[in-house]
Amino acid sequence: RKEVEQDPGPFNVPEGATVAFNCTYSNSASQSFFWYRQDCRKEPKLLMSVYSSGNEDGRFTAQLNRASQYISLLIRDSKLSDSATYLCVVIGMDSSYKLIFGSGTRLLVRP
Amino acid sequence: EPEVTQTPSHQVTQMGQEVILRCVPISNHLYFYWYRQILGQKVEFLVSFYNNEISEKSEIFDDQFSVERPDGSNFTLKIRSTKLEDSAMYFCASSTGTGVSPLHFGNGTRLTVT
Repeated sequence: RKEVEQDPGPFNVPEGATVAFNCTYSNSASQSFFWYRQDCRKEPKLLMSVYSSGNEDGRFTAQLNRASQYISLLIRDSKLSDSATYLCVVIGMDSSYKLIFGSGTRLLVRP
Repeated sequence: EPEVTQTPSHQVTQMGQEVILRCVPISNHLYFYWYRQILGQKVEFLVSFYNNEISEKSEIFDDQFSVERPDGSNFTLKIRSTKLEDSAMYFCASSTGTGVSPLHFGNGTRLTVT
């Protein structure tokens, strides 16, 4: 089983739509979770951390379900500029705090 | 906002040549990383570095790879004898390493091996 799994998409949605991405992780001891955004041929950029209680940042809502080892990202009122690949990321449970990346979910927002 | 900087942005080299990729991490960060991303594939961990030594490395990071922090600010990745399959984007990252802090990435070096 992959350490972090995501649906690769692409998700093709109209502007203004609400879209949700899911991610599962295999190591139940993982403690820290993030969503990163990656534009084509650019570096990953932190979108938001994911907290146990769930958290919201503007149009973006992240949730964590530890029992199911499942993370989600909800984007409301999609903008054209939201088109990117969204990377689910888990911090490994070792001393180096390395990030383990999912393969990413590609989002295309059309006019 | 402080950022991680990488040079060069693009490096073209011939197979068998040595390359050195350079990074300047954020100044108060303690953990440093190299990742790579082959075109169309996911971001893969190569190596982490803390307290002037490698703390973890992946199976990709074989004897052809080495890292160094020669002067307290630069963090370098050396590939001793490049292969075609080393062609990828190489990202440097740094963090405070608390286990809850995310990594901050540089804008990458595109390595093309011909």
